[in-house]
Amino acid sequence: AQSVTQLDSQVPVFEEAPVELRCNYSSSVSVYLFWYVQYPNQGLQLLLKYLSGSTLVKGINGFEAEFNKSQTSFHLRKPSVHISDTAEYFCAGGTSYGKLTFGQGTILTVHP
Amino acid sequence: ETGVTQSPTHLIKTRGQQVTLRCSSQSGHNTVSWYQQALGQGPQFIFQYYREEENGRGNFPPRFSGLQFPNYSSELNVNALELDDSALYLCASSSLADTQYFGPGTRLTVL
Repeated sequence: AQSVTQLDSQVPVFEEAPVELRCNYSSSVSVYLFWYVQYPNQGLQLLLKYLSGSTLVKGINGFEAEFNKSQTSFHLRKPSVHISDTAEYFCAGGTSYGKLTFGQGTILTVHP
Repeated sequence: ETGVTQSPTHLIKTRGQQVTLRCSSQSGHNTVSWYQQALGQGPQFIFQYYREEENGRGNFPPRFSGLQFPNYSSELNVNALELDDSALYLCASSSLADTQYFGPGTRLTVL
């Protein structure tokens, strides 16, 4: 069975600092990987996705992630964060028929 | 292009009651997936509907049921509500096996 693990439940960071949110997955089949962001009292917004091809994926709002098959990781990075990036971030893995398995979430808090 | 919409936004029910949540899919999408997100948790897959047929189900009891209509909108029905059913219910639409786009969710509180 596929599982997704987010290694940090909370990540505090100062504004304009770089950030990395860590995600590991396990699967014996081909996977699709996603990062979603959830602002308070809202649904999920897609940040970026990896389906195939280049292992470095660029998304919205300056975020990027790198698919690393040997380490079964899909870490999310941003070189310089803003206050508005404060939110909860979810890593998710999908199968070809679309069921998504989510991690537990990482709360990113950006301090001024 | 209209995104995914859900209704109602909030709902309060008591134990044992039944509830129906609604979802309108994004234009051009024929697949709807439902997820339950308990407080402080990641979303958990309930089931998916593709062209009006159930196309996969997560680890949820039969009192969670659904429908998809010819216009690809969908309903989630939960019978015999329990306190643990309190959660944010998220609907996502997609073309089959493509990226899922989520609605804003329905917050269900069971008292």
